[in-house]
Amino acid sequence: NAGVTQTPKFRILKIGQSMTLQCAQDMNHNYMYWYRQDPGMGLKLIYYSVGAGITDKGEVPNGYNVSRSTTEDFPLRLELAAPSQTSVYFCASSYNLGYEQYFGPGTRLTVT
Amino acid sequence: GQQLNQSPQSMFIQEGEDVSMNCTSSSIFNTWLWYKQDPGEGPVLLIALYKAGELTSNGRLTAQFGITRKDSFLNISASIPSDVGIYFCAGPSGGYQKVTFGIGTKLQVIP
Repeated sequence: NAGVTQTPKFRILKIGQSMTLQCAQDMNHNYMYWYRQDPGMGLKLIYYSVGAGITDKGEVPNGYNVSRSTTEDFPLRLELAAPSQTSVYFCASSYNLGYEQYFGPGTRLTVT
Repeated sequence: GQQLNQSPQSMFIQEGEDVSMNCTSSSIFNTWLWYKQDPGEGPVLLIALYKAGELTSNGRLTAQFGITRKDSFLNISASIPSDVGIYFCAGPSGGYQKVTFGIGTKLQVIP
């Protein structure tokens, strides 16, 4: 199993550009999550999904969108990138309850 | 929303020393989780605690679920250089689907 994979690993965006961060898991997990991690701020939940076709907002959803058309994939879309979205983004998945989460390696995004 | 306070926020220790860190919550939890994040990597689950008073070990790591259900503790014995990283506590929020993470304790080990 590859576990949770994320692409790209690094990306630099100009203000106003858009991009999609990809996340995939091969563990047949129901739950998937997107977090952002700012220095010294821990992990903040952006969006999550409890199954294909079902998504919901987390703590900091503004400026982001998600979709979950399959169990395996959970892409995160940034529209009109802003400097405040400079962060490290982690995708995670969980089989049943949302507690024991498996994280991907992260995408480091810089918006200038 | 739920808030988790971790202390200390950072610590430097000598290789071979024992380490203690804790996490407190503004509300009662029925589950506590401890994750470790190596530099440049995603967090990895170390220990999950599901019962008040529970004491669980994973190698040199021991975690306890506080009796008040508002705190948890993580101890690392005989630290080694690969213990370096950020340790996060986490607890459930919004039912069983999500967790809230603390801001982490950054551990540095001096060889």
